[in-house]
Amino acid sequence: DAKTTQPTSMDCAEGRAANLPCNHSTISGNEYVYWYRQIHSQGPQYIIHGLKNNETNEMASLIITEDRKSSTLILPHATLRDTAVYYCIVRPGGSGTYKYIFGTGTRLKVLA
Amino acid sequence: GAVVSQHPSWVICKSGTSVKIECRSLDFQATTMFWYRQFPKQSLMLMATSNEGSKATYEQGVEKDKFLINHASLTLSTLTVTSAHPEDSSFYICSAPTGGDTQYFGPGTRLTVL
Repeated sequence: DAKTTQPTSMDCAEGRAANLPCNHSTISGNEYVYWYRQIHSQGPQYIIHGLKNNETNEMASLIITEDRKSSTLILPHATLRDTAVYYCIVRPGGSGTYKYIFGTGTRLKVLA
Repeated sequence: GAVVSQHPSWVICKSGTSVKIECRSLDFQATTMFWYRQFPKQSLMLMATSNEGSKATYEQGVEKDKFLINHASLTLSTLTVTSAHPEDSSFYICSAPTGGDTQYFGPGTRLTVL
């Protein structure tokens, strides 16, 4: 089973920030939080990941709570092209290859 | 980011035939690749882990004789759906981790079995 829970769906107005929450209350100390999104009929696209510090890249920001039991993905200025299903995944850190277990994700709809 | 390709993008076949789907890492080597299946309006379901030079590892409930996986080289894994039936119609997606362990996904292959 997936180790994360996310709201089923969210709407966001175009140009506004989209804040997508994820609960991972059973996360272990060496596990990373990864975010992907899947636009209709395409493969998932990597967005960002983090361990405990907040992270930012050209696509988004990731805010992880101090207890690491939840995180929020922030798309600062959502566009219509950001409409997608967003998945939050927890996976072990360290060297090695670990399989992803996908939850149901959040279906984000950006409204014009 | 790293690029993973899949071929074909879509395929239609008759019931009882076999279909091969290729997954390639274009700009990096991958000793491990993963195969997923996704039904409409559902999440991705991991089917198996493909290992270069050794046997694939299948998830519980996935028939290894029906979904044959071959990891022929460090950049290529293939999934063959044998004796396909309409219930095998689905969106098949592969992924490969880079050296930094972040997984990159292919664009997916839509299989329709008539």
